Amino acid sequence: DVKVTQSSRYLVKRTGEKVFLECVQDMDHENMFWYRQDPGLGLRLIYFSYDVKMKEKGDIPEGYSVSREKKERFSLILESASTNQTSMYLCASTRTGRAYEQYFGPGTRLTVT
Amino acid sequence: GENVEQHPSTLSVQEGDSAVIKCTYSDSASNYFPWYKQELGKGPQLIIDIRSNVGEKKDQRIAVTLNKTAKHFSLHITETQPEDSAVYFCAASLTGTASKLTFGTGTRLQVTL
Repeated sequence: DVKVTQSSRYLVKRTGEKVFLECVQDMDHENMFWYRQDPGLGLRLIYFSYDVKMKEKGDIPEGYSVSREKKERFSLILESASTNQTSMYLCASTRTGRAYEQYFGPGTRLTVT
Repeated sequence: GENVEQHPSTLSVQEGDSAVIKCTYSDSASNYFPWYKQELGKGPQLIIDIRSNVGEKKDQRIAVTLNKTAKHFSLHITETQPEDSAVYFCAASLTGTASKLTFGTGTRLQVTL
């Protein structure tokens, strides 16, 4: 079974802090994605990566950056956290050519105070 | 870009009844339509999908239908059970190496006893 793990289930940070969310997958998937989930808005794509050191902006990249130094790990970075970034963050991975069959991690609920 | 609308946002049915969730998409080039189920405290999980060359697909108690002309697709759950209670997301994608999913806003299904 594919396993996608996220570093924290719950995280509380202060406004202005730099926040790192880590995601690791164990199935050698080439593609990895970061979404945020908000009530009434569904899942919105923040960034995605098709290979190591490659990244592409999703639909809502403002205020975020990403890093993919190793194939199995994809990090989401909030350079200066703001209260409007309070949300559930979901990581997903999939194989090349099958980017539509995404395997999700359990999510990180981030609260910025 | 693609836009996916999903209705209803909440749905309550009695155990044993059927549930139907509907989605519409905007990009006629989209050719893959997965449905994800998200249980409490977990990430979304793929439950069924349909491609644009197929009008209907069934898997035990769940089925998905697609009307390409009208650009809408639906999830049907028959003989609902309490374990069907979850949030369901539809999505649309154009398959290929660079494909990514556009999700609907989600439907919270509650199956009551």
